[in-house]
Amino acid sequence: AQSVTQLGSHVSVSEGALVLLRCNYSSSVPPYLFWYVQYPNQGLQLLLKYTSAATLVKGINGFEAEFKKSETSFHLTKPSAHMSDAAEYFCAVSEKGYSTLTFGKGTMLLVSP
Amino acid sequence: DTGVSQNPRHKITKRGQNVTFRCDPISEHNRLYWYRQTLGQGPEFLTYFQNEAQLEKSRLLSDRFSAERPKGSFSTLEIQRTEQGDSAMYLCASSLASSGMLNGYTFGSGTRLTVV
Repeated sequence: AQSVTQLGSHVSVSEGALVLLRCNYSSSVPPYLFWYVQYPNQGLQLLLKYTSAATLVKGINGFEAEFKKSETSFHLTKPSAHMSDAAEYFCAVSEKGYSTLTFGKGTMLLVSP
Repeated sequence: DTGVSQNPRHKITKRGQNVTFRCDPISEHNRLYWYRQTLGQGPEFLTYFQNEAQLEKSRLLSDRFSAERPKGSFSTLEIQRTEQGDSAMYLCASSLASSGMLNGYTFGSGTRLTVV
């Protein structure tokens, strides 16, 4: 069975600082991996995805993530945080051949001036 | 393309009442998914349709829950005899079956249910 663990329910950074949100997955087959962002009272917006092409994936709003099979990780990074990045971020996994996503519990990113 | 539309945005109901939510997917998307998100948790899969066929249901979908997609376009999710534990955000998403999971899903803004 597939699962996702997001380390840290809350991460606080200062504006301009590096953002690092951690995601580890468990999957019995090569996975597809996703990061979604959710702003208050809104649905989820796709930030980026890994679908077994390049291991370093670039997404919207300056975010990127690197798939590391040996570490079963897919951490999300951004070199310089903006106030507008404050939101909740969800990592999700899907196994090839399946149509459903399994989400982590989410990490709330707080950005201070 | 107006995205995935969900109605209503908010619903407050008394315990024991029935509620129904509607989801209109992106018009060319033939797959439609329902997820539930409770406070402090990530979304959890409930069920999904390909066209009008309901292909998979989670064990979370108790017999009080029913979902339909009668003409392969919009979908409804009904909860009968609501309980306080049903309070959650109900998210709808859609995708194109031919893309598999290569593009993930497009989510709607959700319907927030509060059972009092």
